[in-house]
Amino acid sequence: SYELTQPPSVSVSPGQTARITCSGDAWPKEYAYWYQQKPGQAPVFVIYKDNERPSGIPERFSGSSSGTRVTLTISGVQAEDEADYYCQSADSSGSVVFGGGTKLTVL
Amino acid sequence: QVQLQESGPGLVEPSETLSLICSVSGGSIRSYYWSWIRQPAGKGLEWIGRVYSSGSTNYNSSLKSRVTLSLDTSQNRFSLRLSSVTAADTAVYYCATTTNYFYDSSGHYRPAGFDSWGQGTLVTVSS
Repeated sequence: SYELTQPPSVSVSPGQTARITCSGDAWPKEYAYWYQQKPGQAPVFVIYKDNERPSGIPERFSGSSSGTRVTLTISGVQAEDEADYYCQSADSSGSVVFGGGTKLTVL
Repeated sequence: QVQLQESGPGLVEPSETLSLICSVSGGSIRSYYWSWIRQPAGKGLEWIGRVYSSGSTNYNSSLKSRVTLSLDTSQNRFSLRLSSVTAADTAVYYCATTTNYFYDSSGHYRPAGFDSWGQGTLVTVSS
């Protein structure tokens, strides 16, 4: 199974761009998925299949991949974007793995 | 998206079996793949396993010896059983699924992440 590594924390000021990375051998073989989780709430799907955005997710959320690293980019960060973010992948057997999570702080 | 709701005891004694149910609405249990995911307080997400609409299963290798997932098609729900629990199994347990699938380059039918989650239920292992 794969291991996915995320930075523990990222801090940005409102209106700036936040980039949260996730590194691992899962990529580029597998797709990346990203979830946002606010305190006391279930995770919410924000990016799937590397760079597709589910309906209802603001356009400021985008995903990209390069080699063995994938990135969640939040452009024009708002205070409401402060949350934990998790990357996720799966291997060919269907086993799912999550990254350790990144706490995004909006200063 | 389908709607999911976890239910079950909030307190389990050490060495006993944790049992949870996920009730599904807005979709048939005979469709899609159904997963359990847990999260200890202050920590990250851990996938427990998946039960397919056929009833076959796929488990996290670290929990495989203790986990059983199953479907109840008559009640449109699926369940988790985790045996021989310890304090390390204390966590919020989520059920999750997706309505979005794709075929990979090997022709395998794969779920595209998790677009539907239950609200989560806290299970504490303690005597």
